[in-house]
Amino acid sequence: EVQLVESGGGLIQPGGSLRLSCAVSGFTVTNNYMTWVRQAPGKGPEWVSIIYSSGSTYYADSVKGRFTISRDNSRNTVYLQMNSLRAEDTAVYYCARDRRSGTWAYLDYWGQGTLVIVSS
Amino acid sequence: DIQMTQSPSSLSASVGDRVTITCRATQNIGNYLNWYQQKPGKAPKVLIYAASSLQSGVPSRFSGSGSGTDFTLTIGSLQPEDFGTYFCQQSNNSPLTFGGGTKVEI
Repeated sequence: EVQLVESGGGLIQPGGSLRLSCAVSGFTVTNNYMTWVRQAPGKGPEWVSIIYSSGSTYYADSVKGRFTISRDNSRNTVYLQMNSLRAEDTAVYYCARDRRSGTWAYLDYWGQGTLVIVSS
Repeated sequence: DIQMTQSPSSLSASVGDRVTITCRATQNIGNYLNWYQQKPGKAPKVLIYAASSLQSGVPSRFSGSGSGTDFTLTIGSLQPEDFGTYFCQQSNNSPLTFGGGTKVEI
């Protein structure tokens, strides 16, 4: 059975840092594209970052230079290091698998999400 | 970035009704369009990928159509468990972008 379990969210002051974790079972993160997607209260989801099977990483402009995605192959876990947090980063953060072929691409497995609140 | 616009933003329908949600992209995305259903407090769940392909395990009353810039999600006969918010998402260009959602009430 495939499971993605996020952790690490919480209440943090503006300018602070958090590291989110996404522990995966049922497939190997190294062989897949893994993404972070966030969703602010009452809003549509927003793509944040991706790490390819090759290890290449990409970020939304809104988080570039502040967030870093990485993975630990031995733990089969993906991370999102979030620095210089702002109020507008407040959201539920989901990790998801980005499944692709030559003719389609979609997010097929998602975690349950972890809530990040940036507030003083 | 490609902007995705959904309509309506909300709707109320009865069990057995045929429901249609539309999604428009600001540029041609081919058939790189996916539909997700989200229940309160839960993660989105993919229903349709590549505009019209039904994800495994999803009831056949859900169908998708369209290509280019205009897409449609249809629920053939609305069921009580179909309440929730539906999002379209394009995967043709980076960054992936989502529509604002359509809230379906029974």
